[in-house]
Amino acid sequence: NAGVTQTPKFQVLKTGQSMTLQCAQDMNHNSMYWYRQDPGMGLRLIYYSASEGTTDKGEVPNGYNVSRLNKREFSLRLESAAPSQTSVYFCASSDPRVGEQFFGPGTRLTVL
Amino acid sequence: GESVGLHLPTLSVQEGDNSIINCAYSNSASDYFIWYKQESGKGPQFIIDIRSNMDKRQGQRVTVLLNKTVKHLSLQIAATQPGDSAVYFCAENWAGGTSYGKLTFGQGTILTVHP
Repeated sequence: NAGVTQTPKFQVLKTGQSMTLQCAQDMNHNSMYWYRQDPGMGLRLIYYSASEGTTDKGEVPNGYNVSRLNKREFSLRLESAAPSQTSVYFCASSDPRVGEQFFGPGTRLTVL
Repeated sequence: GESVGLHLPTLSVQEGDNSIINCAYSNSASDYFIWYKQESGKGPQFIIDIRSNMDKRQGQRVTVLLNKTVKHLSLQIAATQPGDSAVYFCAENWAGGTSYGKLTFGQGTILTVHP
């Protein structure tokens, strides 16, 4: 099992450009999450999907949109990137009966 | 390199010492707690978890202690090794009925182990 995979690993954007971060999990988990991690801020929840077909805002949703494409895949879209969105983005998944979340390797995004 | 943790609490120990990392959690209703380890450039990795019906749980070289009275969690690492150098996060969760939802993460602590 690959666990949680994310693409791309690195990305540089110019202000105003758009892009989609991809995430997939092969653990048959119902719940999936997108976090951002900034220096000294720990992990902050952007959006989550408790189950296929549902998405909800987290702590810092502004400037982002998500799509739960199917049970395996959960994408994060930046419509018009801003320098404040420079961060490391992590996707995670979990079985809501258990509580533990499994994390992907992250995408390091720089917006110039 | 990874720039996470510029302002996080730090703990420096010598190789072979025992390390204790502390965490205060916020929700008295939380009933599930996890410790994650995050190495530079990687995603958080599960270390150990504990449920609220326990006050201590041991793994391989790690022990988690839970004090619900003061809402405090600690991670003890025995015989700390240079490979243990990382950022450590605690997280809490709450079943709220039948299923667990969002994890709430603590700030994180940078552990540095000197050979």
